[in-house]
Amino acid sequence: EVQLVESGGGLVQPGRSLKLSCVASGFTFSNYGMNWIRQAPGKGLEWVAYISSGSSYIYYAETVKGRFTISRDNAKNTLYLQMTSLRSEDTALYYCASRVLGAGYFDYWGQGVMVTVSS
Amino acid sequence: DIQMTQSPASLSASLEEIVTITCKASQGIDDYLSWYQQKPGKSPQLLIYDATSLADGVPSRFSGSRSGTQYSLKISRPQVDDSGIYYCLQSYSTPYTFGAGTKLELK
Repeated sequence: EVQLVESGGGLVQPGRSLKLSCVASGFTFSNYGMNWIRQAPGKGLEWVAYISSGSSYIYYAETVKGRFTISRDNAKNTLYLQMTSLRSEDTALYYCASRVLGAGYFDYWGQGVMVTVSS
Repeated sequence: DIQMTQSPASLSASLEEIVTITCKASQGIDDYLSWYQQKPGKSPQLLIYDATSLADGVPSRFSGSRSGTQYSLKISRPQVDDSGIYYCLQSYSTPYTFGAGTKLELK
């Protein structure tokens, strides 16, 4: 059974940092590109970042570029999102989602982890 | 950036209707278009990929199509369990962009 399990969320003050993790199981993690997508309370989905299977290609949304860093450890089947200089507008449920090699769609999603930025 | 204009924002449908949700891309996206269903408190689930292909385990009453840069999701004879919010996603070029979502209520 495919599973993506996010962790590391919580309440953090503006300007501080937080690191999210997403542990994958049930599929060959190293063959998949991975994404972070977020959803502010009561709002729609916003793509945040993508990393290719071998970390050669990395892309960010403009809203997080320069503040967030996506990375992965294929030996540990784990995806990360290092978030710095957090703002209130970063408050959201953060999902990790896999992307099949050579395909465009996000086939598996985690259950999400909540990040709240507030003083 | 590619904009995805999704409509309608919400709709209420009966179990005998055919429901159609559309997403218009601001430029060509070479069918890098997928559809997702999200139920309250749950993560999105893939329904359709590559514009017209049905994801594994998704009922055949769901279908996808394209006309020019307009993509459509059709639900034939929807079931009560189909209530939720539907999103399109273009993954042709970054930043990947979602439509704003369509809230479907079955009456």
